[in-house]
Amino acid sequence: GNSVTQMEGPVTLSEEAFLTINCTYTATGYPSLFWYVQYPGEGLQLLLKATKADDKGSNKGFEATYRKETTSFHLEKGSVQVSDSAVYFCALSDPGGSYIPTFGRGTSLIVHP
Amino acid sequence: GAVVSQHPSRVICKSGTSVKIECRSLDFQATTMFWYRQFPKQSLMLMATSNEGSKATYEQGVEKDKFLINHASLTLSTLTVTSAHPEDSSFYICSAPMTGNTEAFFGQGTRLTVV
Repeated sequence: GNSVTQMEGPVTLSEEAFLTINCTYTATGYPSLFWYVQYPGEGLQLLLKATKADDKGSNKGFEATYRKETTSFHLEKGSVQVSDSAVYFCALSDPGGSYIPTFGRGTSLIVHP
Repeated sequence: GAVVSQHPSRVICKSGTSVKIECRSLDFQATTMFWYRQFPKQSLMLMATSNEGSKATYEQGVEKDKFLINHASLTLSTLTVTSAHPEDSSFYICSAPMTGNTEAFFGQGTRLTVV
């Protein structure tokens, strides 16, 4: 079956540091890949997505590249801010198109001033 | 972008009472909606898939009689936690896919506390 593996958190960084959150996946076929962000006490918001190999999703300074050869979709940001503190979920969509995403466990990011 | 609205955002209820949570798609029709439960510091657990005009599909281990789901229209799904107990306290999130999109859109979540 499908699965998503994320690095365990929390990830603690100082403001303006470089961020990488690793994500690898297992799936049959060609899934779409997503990063969702959850701020404290809120639901999930789509941060970025990529629908095919070598696509790069980007938003708000975050980016991730769909690497089919390594089955990875690592999230990166060059300079984090305190406001980026949240939980980040890597996810893939069912290749059959049912839109039920498979989520990773989530990685908590804490950014200190 | 597409918006999914969930209400209420927070609710506190007494043990033994029932609580209804609403999930609405505001600018698109959703024949399918998903209900998740999230425990502290954990990922989302899919509870059930809500289907407009038909019975919901529950995931293994989820009690159908405790978590009643109704999808009466193309823009509204409700989750009713019946005879709530403190162990039902959790964060519940709904989501809905929009036809033609690969991603699902999420509600703001409902923090349920049973005292």
